[in-house]
Amino acid sequence: DQQVKQNSPSLSVQEGRISILNCDYTNSMFDYFLWYKKYPAEGPTFLISISSIKDKNEDGRFTVFLNKSAKHLSLHIVPSQPGDSAVYFCAASVPLGNTPLVFGKGTRLSVIA
Amino acid sequence: GAVVSQHPSWVICKSGTSVKIECRSLDFQATTMFWYRQFPKQSLMLMATSNEGSKATYEQGVEKDKFLINHASLTLSTLTVTSAHPEDSSFYICSAVPVFSNQPQHFGDGTRLSIL
Repeated sequence: DQQVKQNSPSLSVQEGRISILNCDYTNSMFDYFLWYKKYPAEGPTFLISISSIKDKNEDGRFTVFLNKSAKHLSLHIVPSQPGDSAVYFCAASVPLGNTPLVFGKGTRLSVIA
Repeated sequence: GAVVSQHPSWVICKSGTSVKIECRSLDFQATTMFWYRQFPKQSLMLMATSNEGSKATYEQGVEKDKFLINHASLTLSTLTVTSAHPEDSSFYICSAVPVFSNQPQHFGDGTRLSIL
């Protein structure tokens, strides 16, 4: 049973528009959530995170929103750029520290110029 | 920023060969490193947790005698796939958590293992 779900395997967005990537989780014990970006044949690169005590975290063009009651988080990228094209993984942990991450299957984002 | 180096990046070898993959934290110490495996179009699945100076903790379904993990120092963990078979072909990725830090896990670039 998947504890972290990314139901959209792919997403195409025009350059300059907003990209919204969604993630749902089932384990209410998760208290820290991360987004990683991955290019082919490379390891995941940390992008942005959010603690369960917050509902929003912003870093430049990237904003992560957390809705604990719905067990849902989303990553917003605005404006989207062609270089953002990659696979985005949502991950969760309990708690931050020496605990493994539970990953979703990823969403492939294609930003079209 | 924190860097994790994984070597080799790509291995092709014959069935029955044992393959060693190294994971090094280059500018920080890590008492804990994780080994993940990713099959095509699947998520990263945790295989084992590598703890410096003690035995690794394996996830259910992962054979500890097949996937040998050694975390000999605070900057190096190795994964050895023993007597590899074609079904072991996958993308193996390690990650490390800096000691005494609230930083997130940092990942290596992965090792693509192809067993013929």
